[in-house]
Amino acid sequence: ETGVTQSPTHLIKTRGQQVTLRCSSQSGHNTVSWYQQALGQGPQFIFQYYREEENGRGNFPPRFSGLQFPNYSSELNVNALELDDSALYLCASSFKLAGGGNEQFFGPGTRLTVL
Amino acid sequence: GQQLNQSPQSMFIQEGEDVSMNCTSSSIFNTWLWYKQEPGEGPVLLIALYKAGELTSNGRLTAQFGITRKDSFLNISASIPSDVGIYFCAGQTSGGYQKVTFGIGTKLQVIP
Repeated sequence: ETGVTQSPTHLIKTRGQQVTLRCSSQSGHNTVSWYQQALGQGPQFIFQYYREEENGRGNFPPRFSGLQFPNYSSELNVNALELDDSALYLCASSFKLAGGGNEQFFGPGTRLTVL
Repeated sequence: GQQLNQSPQSMFIQEGEDVSMNCTSSSIFNTWLWYKQEPGEGPVLLIALYKAGELTSNGRLTAQFGITRKDSFLNISASIPSDVGIYFCAGQTSGGYQKVTFGIGTKLQVIP
């Protein structure tokens, strides 16, 4: 069984640029969630994708967007980067049951630095 | 964004001591989760709790889902150096989407 993988591991961008982060979900999982973890904080929920559609969203502006592909892998896109976007971005996959949920398993994260 | 109230925020303990940390929320959750995160890695699930009052163990770890569904605690018995890391509590709602709300974390340092 393959775990959740993310790429790249580290990334440096400048203010105003755009970034795409990638996630491959764990084998058998159909749901992907993205989180932002600032230094010294717990992860903050950005959004979740299920069946290639956004299934829920946290308190993040529209310049944070995502995609889920038929193989359940996912991308997180951030436009017009700001300094405060510097953080560890975590992807978590799970298997969504009808009417309920299941535990989320996290990838190692992508460390994004915005200069 | 919302974060759960987790305490203590950091602890230094001697190897062999027991550790206790807890988490409270103003909202009710259907599932409580405890994760451990080590440097350079994502959080790893330690224990999941699904029912109010439930007490669950995983080796030296024991966690309980509070009766009010607004709190949970985690105990680690006989700590060892590899217990070092940041422990996060998290609450999950059911139905709709699986939003998980995390605490701020408890940083645990074990002195050999």
